[in-house]
Amino acid sequence: QLQLQESGPGLVQPSETLSLNCTVSGGSISSSSYYWGWIRQPPGKGLEWIGTIYETGSTYYNPSLQSRVTISVDTSKNQFSLKLSSVTAADTAIYYCARHGRKQLVRGWFDPWGQGTLVTVSS
Amino acid sequence: ELVMTQSPATLSVSPGERVTLSCRASRSITSNLAWYQQKPGQAPRLLISGASTRATGVPARFSGGGSGTEFTLTISSLQSEDSALYYCQQYNDWPPLFTFGPGTKVDIK
Repeated sequence: QLQLQESGPGLVQPSETLSLNCTVSGGSISSSSYYWGWIRQPPGKGLEWIGTIYETGSTYYNPSLQSRVTISVDTSKNQFSLKLSSVTAADTAIYYCARHGRKQLVRGWFDPWGQGTLVTVSS
Repeated sequence: ELVMTQSPATLSVSPGERVTLSCRASRSITSNLAWYQQKPGQAPRLLISGASTRATGVPARFSGGGSGTEFTLTISSLQSEDSALYYCQQYNDWPPLFTFGPGTKVDIK
């Protein structure tokens, strides 16, 4: 059974860079032919797609965050990562990683999801 | 920009009753719509993809319908464990820009 697990600091200073990893178990990112994404949810609010990566490193980002976001993949560790620069309190959220639902197609739903990790931006 | 709206924002329903949630897109997304259920402290769980295809393990009381701009999620007989937030998500746009609706909260009376 495919499982995803987010990891990284729970507290980030304003203006610093938020860095998170998503470790995939029960399956391999390489040769999976799936896209892998990041979604966030501010406390008590709705869901926002951040960006997506393919095993080859091809990426798609939400235009509203594109100038600050970098998503990368490390197939040797079976991980993909998120970096969000110049964070403010507005970036405080639960950050989820997830697999896209259809092989070789970026347009699709997200399933499964990691359990999420809360990142607070505060000094 | 494609905007997703959901109604109602909240509803309170008795067990056994039929519940219909609505999701509307600001322009046609054909059938490129998914529904998720989110319980407190948990990640969203996929219920429906392609507007009407139930995900693996999802009870048959959940059904999705609609196309174009108007979509519904129906729970045929509400169970206590169905108390949750329900979100719709479109995946029609290209370049990809996946957007979610604001959610509908379902409470049990």
